[in-house]
Amino acid sequence: DAKTTQPPSMDCAEGRAANLPCNHSTISGNEYVYWYRQIHSQGPQYIIHGLKNNETNEMASLIITEDRKSSTLILPHATLRDTAVYYCIVRVPTGTASKLTFGTGTRLQVTL
Amino acid sequence: NAGVTQTPKFQVLKTGQSMTLQCAQDMNHNSMYWYRQDPGMGLRLIYYSASEGTTDKGEVPNGYNVSRLNKREFSLRLESAAPSQTSVYFCASSADRATYNSPLHFGNGTRLTVT
Repeated sequence: DAKTTQPPSMDCAEGRAANLPCNHSTISGNEYVYWYRQIHSQGPQYIIHGLKNNETNEMASLIITEDRKSSTLILPHATLRDTAVYYCIVRVPTGTASKLTFGTGTRLQVTL
Repeated sequence: NAGVTQTPKFQVLKTGQSMTLQCAQDMNHNSMYWYRQDPGMGLRLIYYSASEGTTDKGEVPNGYNVSRLNKREFSLRLESAAPSQTSVYFCASSADRATYNSPLHFGNGTRLTVT
C-alpha cells in the first residue's frame, strides 16, 4: 500500500491561502490521490482527488508533482470554518472496491 | 437528498451486550464501508461491501459482522460488545465498482461507549 506523510499541524491566517503538503513517494501509476477533511467529530468530507493533472473545484485546488511523489492541497482563501483535520490518501485498489487507508492527517488551525 | 444516514447517533452498551448499527444511502452507490475512529487516530476500515451480496474484511474486522441487506443498506453488528470497541463508527458509500475514481461519502457517525 502506498503510504502518505503529512505534517501533524499547520496554522494559517484567515483570508490567506492554506497550502497543505503530502508525500506519497511509493504511489503506483494507477493510484489516485484523495483529500478529505474532518471538522470536529463529523464524518469526513470529500474535498478533491486527482491522478496526474492538477485539479480545481469550488473548494480547493490540488497540485500533483510531475513524478507524482508528492502533492499540495490549496485552500485559496482560508476561513475559520476551514479549521479541521485534513487527510491525504492514496486510493488502494482492492478487488472490485477500493479502500481508503486514513493516516492521522494535518490539523489546520485558521486564525484571525 | 440525505446522503448517508446512520442510526443511532449515540449508544451506550454494557460488556457482552449486542447491537446493530444501521446505515443507509440514497445515492444508488454500489460500494459501502464501515470505519471506526478512536481518539487522536485516523479511520480504520472494519468491513466493506463492493456490491450487493458481497462483503470483505478490512483492517480490523475481529468482533464484528456485517450484512449488506440490499443496495441501500449495510449494517454492522457487535455480537458481544467489549470496552475496546468504544469508538466512533462511520459508514460510507461510493459509486465505484471496478474503478478508483469516485469519492467516498460519509455519514455523521455513531458514538458507541461500552462499559
